[in-house]
Amino acid sequence: KAGVTQTPRYLIKTRGQQVTLSCSPISGHRSVSWYQQTPGQGLQFLFEYFSETQRNKGNFPGRFSGRQFSNSRSEMNVSTLELGDSALYLCATTGQATDTQYFGPGTRLTVL
Amino acid sequence: AQRVTQPEKLLSVFKGAPVELKCNYSYSGSPELFWYVQYSRQRLQLLLRHISRESIKGFTADLNKGETSFHLKKPFAQEEDSAMYYCALSQVGGNTGKLIFGQGTTLQVKP
Repeated sequence: KAGVTQTPRYLIKTRGQQVTLSCSPISGHRSVSWYQQTPGQGLQFLFEYFSETQRNKGNFPGRFSGRQFSNSRSEMNVSTLELGDSALYLCATTGQATDTQYFGPGTRLTVL
Repeated sequence: AQRVTQPEKLLSVFKGAPVELKCNYSYSGSPELFWYVQYSRQRLQLLLRHISRESIKGFTADLNKGETSFHLKKPFAQEEDSAMYYCALSQVGGNTGKLIFGQGTTLQVKP
């Protein structure tokens, strides 16, 4: 099976812009979770989607949002970018047969 | 509050020496504990979980509920064990779509 894919792999944006990141899960996986990884805060949970519904949410401001499509692909959006949003954004997907999370390679977002 | 603490940012040992990566947690319910590993230029991947009680690549971890710890151990470190290790928890019995991670420990195994 192909692994979790994330696009794009690298992004450079300026403050105030918005950005959309995409995550394609392993075939058959219906749960998609998003994490932000920074040197200072480490790995922090953003939200999880399952069957097109947000199932869990972390402690991030409303500028961070997401959605999931019927094919289980997920997108996350960050509006009004701030310098502090610079991070590696990881998605992880989970299948029904196992609750192990499989991670993608991440999208490196740099906000200038 | 739910929290995972890994007190060491860096652990440096010589090849063949024993390794113990510490992990302590606080959680109000019954957690499920995991160790994830990230080798250089690779994705974050599951190493082991306490429920399976298995040994992976020579690593073991025992959940100590009294001390709220889940330390990762290996009797003889190998150079290929050099990586970033993360301890994480989720809720038992519920979906595991939400993981709470520790800050991570870099293990450096010197020849």
